[in-house]
Amino acid sequence: AQTVTQSQPEMSVQEAETVTLSCTYDTSESDYYLFWYKQPPSRQMILVIRQEAYKQQNATENRFSVNFQKAAKSFSLKISDSQLGDAAMYFCAYRRIIQGAQKLVFGQGTRLTINP
Amino acid sequence: DAGITQSPRHKVTETGTPVTLRCHQTENHRYMYWYRQDPGHGLRLIHYSYGVKDTDKGEVSDGYSVSRSKTEDFLLTLESATSSQTSVYFCASARQGASGEQFFGPGTRLTVL
Repeated sequence: AQTVTQSQPEMSVQEAETVTLSCTYDTSESDYYLFWYKQPPSRQMILVIRQEAYKQQNATENRFSVNFQKAAKSFSLKISDSQLGDAAMYFCAYRRIIQGAQKLVFGQGTRLTINP
Repeated sequence: DAGITQSPRHKVTETGTPVTLRCHQTENHRYMYWYRQDPGHGLRLIHYSYGVKDTDKGEVSDGYSVSRSKTEDFLLTLESATSSQTSVYFCASARQGASGEQFFGPGTRLTVL
């Protein structure tokens, strides 16, 4: 069964510093998608970044980038120049397809605190 | 952002009463999903739909039912609410044939007393 594990329940970082959130997953598929979602105190789930497994290049979106290690089944999120607005829960997710229907499997989440 | 709304946004009810949560999307997405979010568990899939009148169970479906009579609407029903169903419920939708990215509604906080 596909599972997603986020081993860091909480992380904190000083404003303007860099922080890396970890995610590992288990799969037997060769092509799949991975996502990082952000959930600020407003509760709204916001897509931060996506990665397609067959692409070697790590995805980047402004201050957010990933380190995708396919063989190790690792998908970490790096936030550079942390800002107060980055404080949120971050969820890693894996897309699986079952009988033609696409579903996401989420990790347990990491709560990120930004210290001013 | 996809237009996804949920109603109500907050609800307090008593054990044993029926509850229906509504999700409405304006993006003509084929797939729709209901999740619950609890501390330490992330988001867990309750039920999902892959088309009008086509639904299937997720990992935590006991005590819940769903219906989808129109592309834009997906209803989640708790036939007889229990305190263990106190949670935040999220609806999401996704296009067919895309990366699987899901667009989420704002969530509904349900408290069962």
